[in-house]
Amino acid sequence: NAGVMQNPRHLVRRRGQEARLRCSPMKGHSHVYWYRQLPEEGLKFMVYLQKENIIDESGMPKERFSAEFPKEGPSILRIQQVVRGDSAAYFCASYGPGGANVLTFGAGSRLTVL
Amino acid sequence: DQQVKQNSPSLSVQEGRISILNCDYTNSMFDYFLWYKKYPAEGPTFLISISSIKDKNEDGRFTVFLNKSAKHLSLHIVPSQPGDSAVYFCAASAYAGGTSYGKLTFGQGTILTVHP
Repeated sequence: NAGVMQNPRHLVRRRGQEARLRCSPMKGHSHVYWYRQLPEEGLKFMVYLQKENIIDESGMPKERFSAEFPKEGPSILRIQQVVRGDSAAYFCASYGPGGANVLTFGAGSRLTVL
Repeated sequence: DQQVKQNSPSLSVQEGRISILNCDYTNSMFDYFLWYKKYPAEGPTFLISISSIKDKNEDGRFTVFLNKSAKHLSLHIVPSQPGDSAVYFCAASAYAGGTSYGKLTFGQGTILTVHP
């Protein structure tokens, strides 16, 4: 049973470009969370999605950031017109029915904005 | 507004001794607490959790203590091993129905180093 898969693991973008980060949850998991970890800080909640629905996006910056979890395919976190302050590690986590109240995290995608 | 705080950025312990990692929170609505362990270039891995209806939960070498009146929890690792060297994050959530436990508020982390 593969874990939470994230790609790319490392992404370098220049200011103004777009970044797309992908997350495939664990098999059977239909709940996906995205977290961001800035340097020297803990992880911060960004968004919670179920298949085809955004449930809670209270942690998402109001502009340039969007997330989706389509019926088929991975969840995608999209950052438009990236700025240096977007440089961070972005973690995806999933949660499924029948399990404990515990998130399983992916290895993360590290975004560097030049 | 840092609702979950880990005031010790780092902790160094000798192998075989006890490691105690501390965490304080301010939000009285939090009712579920977790500890995650993180190695470099990996995602956080769940270690142990505790519900607010308990004051202690034990799993092998790991024990979490919760003091609700003080809004404080701690993780004890006994005996500590070099492989325990990692960053430890305290996290908390407030139940709001459904699967809201996934919305976690994390502390800044404590780097634990266990020396052989």
